[in-house]
Amino acid sequence: GEDVEQSLFLSVREGDSSVINCTYTDSSSTYLYWYKQEPGAGLQLLTYIFSNMDMKQDQRLTVLLNKKDKHLSLRIADTQTGDSAIYFCAETPWNSGNTPLVFGKGTRLSVIA
Amino acid sequence: DADVTQTPRNRITKTGKRIMLECSQTKGHDRMYWYRQDPGLGLRLIYYSFDVKDINKGEISDGYSVSRQAQAKFSLSLESAIPNQTALYFCATSSSQGVGDTQYFGPGTRLTVL
Repeated sequence: GEDVEQSLFLSVREGDSSVINCTYTDSSSTYLYWYKQEPGAGLQLLTYIFSNMDMKQDQRLTVLLNKKDKHLSLRIADTQTGDSAIYFCAETPWNSGNTPLVFGKGTRLSVIA
Repeated sequence: DADVTQTPRNRITKTGKRIMLECSQTKGHDRMYWYRQDPGLGLRLIYYSFDVKDINKGEISDGYSVSRQAQAKFSLSLESAIPNQTALYFCATSSSQGVGDTQYFGPGTRLTVL
């Protein structure tokens, strides 16, 4: 079945860039997502990328997709303490009409002041 | 007002009790989901429903049941709660007419089973 892998922890200094990585197994994935979960809250959709794109930029966020390697990354420029959260990668499998999103286990980003 | 609401937000109960968690949405979405979150295990799908007459088991449905009372409401029941069901529970919605399966989450219910 489909699988999405992420490292569990990342620590960066305030003002540096953060790069959160994700790998997935379904080469037919159509959409790939990044969600953010702040402490005590639900998951918030950050951004998504369609599988025919290589890059998507939205203010401080840059998503890179390498379909050949099945690798997705989220870069946060000028990381702030408010970016401390758990970040989940997710994919829509090929038969997206019938199958829910597949989530990774989440990467906990800690920002050191 | 929040688009996806969950009640209660916190619940403490005892082993063997029946518990119902409720989810309502005003987004007009046809698809609804229940997940549980445990530290280090990420989100695990319990049940999902693609419309009012549709119920599907997820990865970890044992010990749980669901009811889709209306398009906007999806409830999760624990018939006889046990301590290893202590977790954070999330409801989510998506639209079959939306982008992929883009899901929108409620704020969560923290359940403790003693």
